[in-house]
Amino acid sequence: EAEVAQSPRYKITEKSQAVAFWCDPISGHATLYWYRQILGQGPELLVQFQDESVVDDSQLPKDRFSAERLKGVDSTLKIQPAELGDSAMYLCASSFRGETQYFGPGTRLLVL
Amino acid sequence: AQSVTQPDIHITVSEGASLELRCNYSYGATPYLFWYVQSPGQGLQLLLKYFSGDTLVQGIKGFEAEFKRSQSSFNLRKPSVHWSDAAEYFCAVGSPDSWGKLQFGAGTQVVVTP
Repeated sequence: EAEVAQSPRYKITEKSQAVAFWCDPISGHATLYWYRQILGQGPELLVQFQDESVVDDSQLPKDRFSAERLKGVDSTLKIQPAELGDSAMYLCASSFRGETQYFGPGTRLLVL
Repeated sequence: AQSVTQPDIHITVSEGASLELRCNYSYGATPYLFWYVQSPGQGLQLLLKYFSGDTLVQGIKGFEAEFKRSQSSFNLRKPSVHWSDAAEYFCAVGSPDSWGKLQFGAGTQVVVTP
């Protein structure tokens, strides 16, 4: 069964450092989503791609977060500089036509 | 704006007993509705979904959910829980006209006792 891949699974960094997360969606899925999940809460959408284009980044803190999906396949989410409040699980999901989303295992970020 | 409410933050259930998790949503039309399950430190796994048609939806792991338009609810049920059902459960609502953007509830933590 095809799955969404994410790496790394865990990341510990110090505040003010840069971090990057990678996501490879299910093959053929045009829509890709990055979510942030703070402990004890539901996921919140950060950015949504349709192929290589951003269709929603209204909740992305653009002063420090950036996301790209250059060839419309895999994607990278970057934080620079990281802050203590960025400690969370970062989830990637993909869907074929924007209907059902399938999630990867996530990247757990701890900022010290 | 769409929203999702899961009234129960935490539920404890005995193994073999039935389980019902509540979900209420706010949306102007009929949304897409989903239930996901998350084990500690893991991603979200899709249990079931409702787009249209039969309001009783069957999912994986013996779960089912019923869409009730009049109550704006999409409650999840399982007749007999197993210890492996201990996890966090999230209800989500999606808009058919916004590229599938999902709004999640805060989740319900399920603890299964022997």
